[in-house]
Amino acid sequence: DAMVIQNPRYQVTQFGKPVTLSCSQTLNHNVMYWYQQKSSQAPKLLFHYYDKDFNNEADTPDNFQSRRPNTSFCFLDIRSPGLGDAAMYLCATSRLRTSGTERDTQYFGPGTRLTVL
Amino acid sequence: GENVEQHPSTLSVQEGDSAVIKCTYSDSASNYFPWYKQELGKRPQLIIDIRSNVGEKKDQRIAVTLNKTAKHFSLHITETQPEDSAVYFCASHGGSQGNLIFGKGTKLSVKP
Repeated sequence: DAMVIQNPRYQVTQFGKPVTLSCSQTLNHNVMYWYQQKSSQAPKLLFHYYDKDFNNEADTPDNFQSRRPNTSFCFLDIRSPGLGDAAMYLCATSRLRTSGTERDTQYFGPGTRLTVL
Repeated sequence: GENVEQHPSTLSVQEGDSAVIKCTYSDSASNYFPWYKQELGKRPQLIIDIRSNVGEKKDQRIAVTLNKTAKHFSLHITETQPEDSAVYFCASHGGSQGNLIFGKGTKLSVKP
């Protein structure tokens, strides 16, 4: 009954070799987020989608791109991974903010741990 | 923009004692305050949240209090158990930035 699924759970790539991480959800949530989390730090928001509306954080490097082909799936593309991009990448979802008691709660996937050699 | 300060960064308690983690936020428009627990190598999991129209919420051994005037909120864990050991993140949402803003986390260790 997993609600937010991330694949793969562990990804090893070489310096400069493009990599794609995937996230899918069964919650039918409008909003999907990608976070980067390094050891002993809080999750750092990279970007998010409200439906198909893409919102990039100001300090997200151009090396990071995202695609959301439909409500259920969202992808994180790292075009040229560097050693500093090694981290846990977390996908999260939430409902589009409307009146109601469940707005804004974010549900996280298990994460993909990226290693860059 | 919104800033969330979380204290302490590390907290060590004896099993059975209480633990309190405090957060302050800067954006008075923030209206939703979740707390996440993250065990090593796992996802952040929502353990409790509070909205700005209430001052306190309790769920078994966990409680959260909110002081909107002072712009701070706290997590209280009573009768701590070793399985409560984890990193806890507070967050603030609903202000002008519209996304969750996380505190830096508190590493809680519960000693048997």
